[in-house]
Amino acid sequence: ETGVTQTPRHLVMGMTNKKSLKCEQHLGHNAMYWYKQSAKKPLELMFVYSLEERVENNSVPSRFSPECPNSSHLFLHLHTLQPEDSALYLCASSQDWRTGYGYTFGSGTRLTVV
Amino acid sequence: AQTVTQSQPEMSVQEAETVTLSCTYDTSESDYYLFWYKQPPSRQMILVIRQEAYKQQNATENRFSVNFQKAAKSFSLKISDSQLGDAAMYFCAYRSWEGGTASKLTFGTGTRLQVTL
Repeated sequence: ETGVTQTPRHLVMGMTNKKSLKCEQHLGHNAMYWYKQSAKKPLELMFVYSLEERVENNSVPSRFSPECPNSSHLFLHLHTLQPEDSALYLCASSQDWRTGYGYTFGSGTRLTVV
Repeated sequence: AQTVTQSQPEMSVQEAETVTLSCTYDTSESDYYLFWYKQPPSRQMILVIRQEAYKQQNATENRFSVNFQKAAKSFSLKISDSQLGDAAMYFCAYRSWEGGTASKLTFGTGTRLQVTL
């Protein structure tokens, strides 16, 4: 067990569907992140949360909507996605967003948009 | 903005041999962190080794070591005595030293390492 758990592991959804990705950490970390990993591209930071407050949003389309109800849980709500949104979505947590020390990643959700 | 470049999409090494993965980066900052992450088929990103830019001594972790050339902005990873379990994607990553958005990791495109018998 990595300490950061992501569900589901795989997700196939139509362009008109609404789904959510879940991330959970019990490491006592107070910062959580969403990254997008596409083939042959560098990982892209999507969102950063510190103590449940969003501190960074890297020009992500509004069809991706993050939610951080507490410091242990992070969600990514998806609606009306496009095929180019198909990717591996990685969640990570760290001790403190200002230092980034102790970055821990989950195993990701493989998303396919059809 | 910082960029990280990994020019080797794929590398292959025989078991027990040594392999070096290349990474270059571009930054105007003087203090920062550099990392190598390993991503096996399980998909979890695992930290392999970390280097603080202000340290002249190259970091080592068991069979893994780096060659950090700050002036050249180069940060290569050497894997000695390669093992089958080393087969994975390897990502080079950069993080700024300063506060604010400092925790953002900037990644390269990765190098897929194959280990053969």
